Amino acid sequence: GAVVSQHPSWVICKSGTSVKIECRSLDFQATTMFWYRQFPKQSLMLMATSNEGSKATYEQGVEKDKFLINHASLTLSTLTVTSAHPEDSSFYICSATGQGTNYGYTFGSGTRLTVV
Amino acid sequence: RKEVEQDPGPFNVPEGATVAFNCTYSNSASQSFFWYRQDCRKEPKLLMSVYSSGNEDGRFTAQLNRASQYISLLIRDSKLSDSATYLCVVGYNQGGKLIFGQGTELSVKP
Repeated sequence: GAVVSQHPSWVICKSGTSVKIECRSLDFQATTMFWYRQFPKQSLMLMATSNEGSKATYEQGVEKDKFLINHASLTLSTLTVTSAHPEDSSFYICSATGQGTNYGYTFGSGTRLTVV
Repeated sequence: RKEVEQDPGPFNVPEGATVAFNCTYSNSASQSFFWYRQDCRKEPKLLMSVYSSGNEDGRFTAQLNRASQYISLLIRDSKLSDSATYLCVVGYNQGGKLIFGQGTELSVKP
C-alpha cells in the first residue's frame, strides 16, 4: 500500500533555531501534501496544503513566513519551522494524496517537536 | 462554531460493551466522511469511510445523515484493543483537505 515516510520522528531544538521536517512518498506520486499540527489532547489542525510545484496555501492564522513549505517534487515535501519558540512545540503530521492512492489519504508517522 | 464537533469524552466502558460516538458537521458542501482512529502519540489511521447508505465492517457500523449533517460510529462487543481516540473527519472533494473533529477518547476496561 501507499507509504509516507516522515523524518525525524522526534526532535529537540533550542529557541531561535530552525527545524526541517521531511515527508517522502515511497511508492506513489504525492500530488498534494497536507501539513497538520496537533497539540496535546487536541485534534489535528490543518496548517497548509501544497501541490507539487506550486506555492502552499496556508490556513487562516498560520504564518507562512514561519512555517515554510516546499513541495518541489512529487515524492518530497518539507516543512521548516523557522526561529522556533517553545509555543511551536507540537506534533506535526503530513498527509499525502495522489493518483497512486486513488486519492485516499496516507499519513506520515508524525514528528514530535520540542523547543527548549 | 467548529466545523466538525464530536461528543466530549472520555468514554470508559467494560469489555463487551456497545459504545456509540456522535458527530455533527456544519458545512453542507461536505462530500466525504470518515472515522479515523488515533493511538497515543501516533498518526491517525483510517477506520472506515462513511456512506449515506450506512456501512458495516465487523463490529463497527457507521451511519451518515446528510439532512441533519450527522455522523455516527457504533462499536459492538468492544475489546481492550479498541481503546484509542476516535476522530470524525470530513472532506470537501476528492483529494481535498480533511477537517478533523476534536476526537473522542475511548477506554475499554477488563
